[in-house]
Amino acid sequence: AQTIHQWPVAEIKAVGSPLSLGCTIKGKSSPNLYWYWQATGGTLQQLFYSITVGQVESVVQLNLSASRPKDDQFILSTEKLLLSHSGFYLCAWSLGENTLYFGAGTRLSVL
Amino acid sequence: AQSVTQPDARVTVSEGASLQLRCKYSSSVTPYLFWYVQYPRQGLQLLLKYYSGDPVVQGVNGFEAEFSKSNSSFHLRKASVHWSDSAVYFCAVTASNTDKVVFGTGTRLQVSP
Repeated sequence: AQTIHQWPVAEIKAVGSPLSLGCTIKGKSSPNLYWYWQATGGTLQQLFYSITVGQVESVVQLNLSASRPKDDQFILSTEKLLLSHSGFYLCAWSLGENTLYFGAGTRLSVL
Repeated sequence: AQSVTQPDARVTVSEGASLQLRCKYSSSVTPYLFWYVQYPRQGLQLLLKYYSGDPVVQGVNGFEAEFSKSNSSFHLRKASVHWSDSAVYFCAVTASNTDKVVFGTGTRLQVSP
């Protein structure tokens, strides 16, 4: 069975500090991978997607970047956090049939 | 381009009562439609999805949704809600020619005892 693991579960970071969030998918070969951001009590905003290793498409500019160093791994990062980066970050995978399967998310608080 | 509107930010129903959560979509092509549920501090879980065929789609935990092309709607229903159904429900739409899934603003369901 496929599993999706996000780390860390939660982060409290200072404005201006770097950030790295990770996501690993096991049990699926060559999935499409996605990063979503959710403001507290808000809807989901797609940030990035990737259909293959080393290839990442940006959907919205939020001073964040993403990378896919391995087939089963998706990394979200920034060198300098802003207050507006606070929220809930969700990783998801699909097999190209548009159905998304989400991880448990990472809650980020930027102070 | 696709979009969804969930007109009800909050819905409160009594346990055992029936439920309908509304979703209106807009799509220039045949859409894929989804309902997801989000429990507190968790990721989203797929309840059901529709692309073609029978307009009434069955999902998990007794949920169903009905697609209406004439009304551009995909409302979610449940015959009898349980307190554990309290959560935020998201309607979503996409098309076969895009990797972008667009989510609605969500409806927070509160089931009262």
